[in-house]
Amino acid sequence: SQTIHQWPATLVQPVGSPLSLECTVEGTSNPNLYWYRQAAGRGLQLLFYSVGIGQISSEVPQNLSASRPQDRQFILSSKKLLLSDSGFYLCAWSAGQTNQPQHFGDGTRLSIL
Amino acid sequence: AQSVAQPEDQVNVAEGNPLTVKCTYSVSGNPYLFWYVQYPNRGLQFLLKYITGDNLVKGSYGFEAEFNKSQTSFHLKKPSALVSDSALYFCAVRDIGGGGFKTIFGAGTRLFVKA
Repeated sequence: SQTIHQWPATLVQPVGSPLSLECTVEGTSNPNLYWYRQAAGRGLQLLFYSVGIGQISSEVPQNLSASRPQDRQFILSSKKLLLSDSGFYLCAWSAGQTNQPQHFGDGTRLSIL
Repeated sequence: AQSVAQPEDQVNVAEGNPLTVKCTYSVSGNPYLFWYVQYPNRGLQFLLKYITGDNLVKGSYGFEAEFNKSQTSFHLKKPSALVSDSALYFCAVRDIGGGGFKTIFGAGTRLFVKA
């Protein structure tokens, strides 16, 4: 069966520090991968998605970047964190067909001090 | 452009009563619709989907959803609510444009089930 791992679960970082959040998927090949941010336990904002290695689409201009160095690995990064980067970050994967649901990791709660 | 609306921020029901969480959508073409549930400090979990066929879709944990094309709705239902159903529920539509890689989520409805 397929599983998705996301770490760390919680992270506290000072303003201006770098960030690296990692997400890996097991049990499937060539998944579509996604990074979302969820503010205040409400709606999801799509940050990045990837349909293959090295292929990254950015949805909103921001202080973050994403990379996909391997088929089942998706990394969210920042060189210098801002206070506004605080939030709950969720990674998800889906199979290639458009009628398939997304499957989410358990998220990283990021607090910027 | 595809969009999805959840008109209620919160729904309160008593345990054992039926529950409905509302969702309406706007799409060009045939809709691919989904419901997800989120428990505190967890990721979203897939409940059910409508792609084609029978308008009543059954999913996990006793939930079902009714697709109504004329009303462009996809309401989530359960005949008898449990306290453990209390969570945040998201309706979503697959954005077919641009290859269908993206999913548009509603703002979420918080369900409270009182014992």
